[in-house]
Amino acid sequence: RKEVEQDPGPFNVPEGATVAFNCTYSNSASQSFFWYRQDCRKEPKLLMSVYSSGNEDGRFTAQLNRASQYISLLIRDSKLSDSATYLCVVNYAGGTSYGKLTFGQGTILTVHP
Amino acid sequence: DGGITQSPKYLFRKEGQNVTLSCEQNLNHDAMYWYRQDPGQGLRLIYYSQIVNDFQKGDIAEGYSVSREKKESFPLTVTSAQKNPTAFYLCASSIERGTPSPAKNIQYFGAGTRLSVL
Repeated sequence: RKEVEQDPGPFNVPEGATVAFNCTYSNSASQSFFWYRQDCRKEPKLLMSVYSSGNEDGRFTAQLNRASQYISLLIRDSKLSDSATYLCVVNYAGGTSYGKLTFGQGTILTVHP
Repeated sequence: DGGITQSPKYLFRKEGQNVTLSCEQNLNHDAMYWYRQDPGQGLRLIYYSQIVNDFQKGDIAEGYSVSREKKESFPLTVTSAQKNPTAFYLCASSIERGTPSPAKNIQYFGAGTRLSVL
């Protein structure tokens, strides 16, 4: 089983749509959770951290369910500029794994006019 | 401007040749990382370094070597032992020790180097 699993998609949605991505992780001792965004042939960039209480940043909402080891990202009112690959990222900081992140393979989103 | 600089942007390797990818950061970050990304796959960790003069193997270290002689620099050498080196290589760094989670675990990436085999 992969440490971090995402539905690779692709998700093709019209502008203005709401889309949700899911991610599961296998290590129950994981401590920090993130969503990164990666544009085609570019480096990943942090989109948002994910907190247990859930958090929102504009049109983006992230949720964490520790009991089910599940993370989600909701994008409302999709824009053309949201087209990218979204990476689910998990950190386990036990032992010497300081700062070591495990990346999912990414979910591809295409927003069309 | 603070950031992470990788060079070159594109690199071509001949059979049997070692090549070195540069990564420099001026963010005063303690930890630095090298990842490899293949098409349609997530990032895989090659090596990481938490402090100067110390580094650890990641998940796919075979055929690669690194050094960390300065805090700002973490070069990656792709040796001739790496038989399938064609990939997108990404360098990252993360903030100083002592910073509370999750901030200390956030990694910032350079623009990457695309390595191909001639």
